[in-house]
Amino acid sequence: DVKVTQSSRYLVKRTGEKVFLECVQDMDHENMFWYRQDPGLGLRLIYFSYDVKMKEKGDIPEGYSVSREKKERFSLILESASTNQTSMYLCASSFRWGDSSYEQYFGPGTRLTVT
Amino acid sequence: AQSVTQLDSQVPVFEEAPVELRCNYSSSVSVYLFWYVQYPNQGLQLLLKYLSGSTLVKGINGFEAEFNKSQTSFHLRKPSVHISDTAEYFCAVYRGSGDKLTFGTGTRLAVRP
Repeated sequence: DVKVTQSSRYLVKRTGEKVFLECVQDMDHENMFWYRQDPGLGLRLIYFSYDVKMKEKGDIPEGYSVSREKKERFSLILESASTNQTSMYLCASSFRWGDSSYEQYFGPGTRLTVT
Repeated sequence: AQSVTQLDSQVPVFEEAPVELRCNYSSSVSVYLFWYVQYPNQGLQLLLKYLSGSTLVKGINGFEAEFNKSQTSFHLRKPSVHISDTAEYFCAVYRGSGDKLTFGTGTRLAVRP
């Protein structure tokens, strides 16, 4: 059973703080993704990684960075949190090759509130 | 570029009634299509997918979807819903590169007793 875990379910941070969101998967997936989910906007891709130390910008990378030092772990970093980054953050992973590469497995999400 | 439109943001329905959640996509190339479900306070899980072959796809929990190339649609259906089907449903299309998906804005299905 594929497992994608996220370090926190709920997080409250102050404006200007540096925030780390951690994601770990146990299926040896090459691809990992960070999305944010907002009402009426669906899921929007922030960053994507297809290999260790590799990263690609998604649709809304501004204000975020990522780190992938190990295959199973993908971190999202908010360098200086702002109130407009209050959102639900979802991590996902998938294989890179074959038909299964299109199926993404999601973590439970981290609801971040920036005050 | 691919995009996905889910026309209904909310669909209220009574228990045991049939339901259809609509999804239309735009793409100039062959597409792979998906429906994901998000139960309250949980992440998304795959409901069903269309990659090729039969245009009628069956998924988990009695859901099915039909790929209609001429109408660029991939509507999700269930003949009889349960209270436990209350969730948000997302349609998604494979972008054609980098294994990335484009998601629709979601449809909240509210099943009433």
